[in-house]
Amino acid sequence: EAGVAQSPRYKIIEKRQSVAFWCNPISGHATLYWYQQILGQGPKLLIQFQNNGVVDDSQLPKDRFSAERLKGVDSTLKIQPAKLEDSAVYLCASSPRTGSSPLHFGNGTRLTVT
Amino acid sequence: SQQGEEDPQALSIQEGENATMNCSYKTSINNLQWYRQNSGRGLVHLILIRSNEREKHSGRLRVTLDTSKKSSSLLITASRAADTASYFCATDASGTYKYIFGTGTRLKVLA
Repeated sequence: EAGVAQSPRYKIIEKRQSVAFWCNPISGHATLYWYQQILGQGPKLLIQFQNNGVVDDSQLPKDRFSAERLKGVDSTLKIQPAKLEDSAVYLCASSPRTGSSPLHFGNGTRLTVT
Repeated sequence: SQQGEEDPQALSIQEGENATMNCSYKTSINNLQWYRQNSGRGLVHLILIRSNEREKHSGRLRVTLDTSKKSSSLLITASRAADTASYFCATDASGTYKYIFGTGTRLKVLA
């Protein structure tokens, strides 16, 4: 089974610019997560989708971050405008269903904001 | 906010020794999972233990869960250099299925 695909792998932008990340989950996985991982810390949940509906986005900074999951498959996460503190690895994960299921992670996108 | 906290933050052992790391969490949970992260990579699922279970084994891994103390431990027996990685626990507060990760333990196994 193909894993979770993310792109780009790396991105360097200047502050106040915008950036978008893309995630393709494992086929058939209904639940999709975006996490932000700052260097040396654990992943922080930004948003959780069930099919194409949002389950939880309480930790998403909605003034600058947005996310969508079209047709319940691929997802994009956007930051506009970026701040220096947004420098982190953005991880996408999927699972077959909401509940007691393991999460399958992509390798992430490393964002550097200068 | 972090639901769980692992300790120690860092651990260095010799190959062949056992490694134990602990996770404490704050609220009632449905289940607790342990993940491994190699440098520059995504997280890989290791083991899931449900709130009504006390112990699970998978190969060289042994996980215990004490819901009364809101804590879990991960034991890696006969460690190998390839076990060098960061290890995270993740919990979903009861009823939410929202997985919150801990702060992680950085394990270094010396050959």
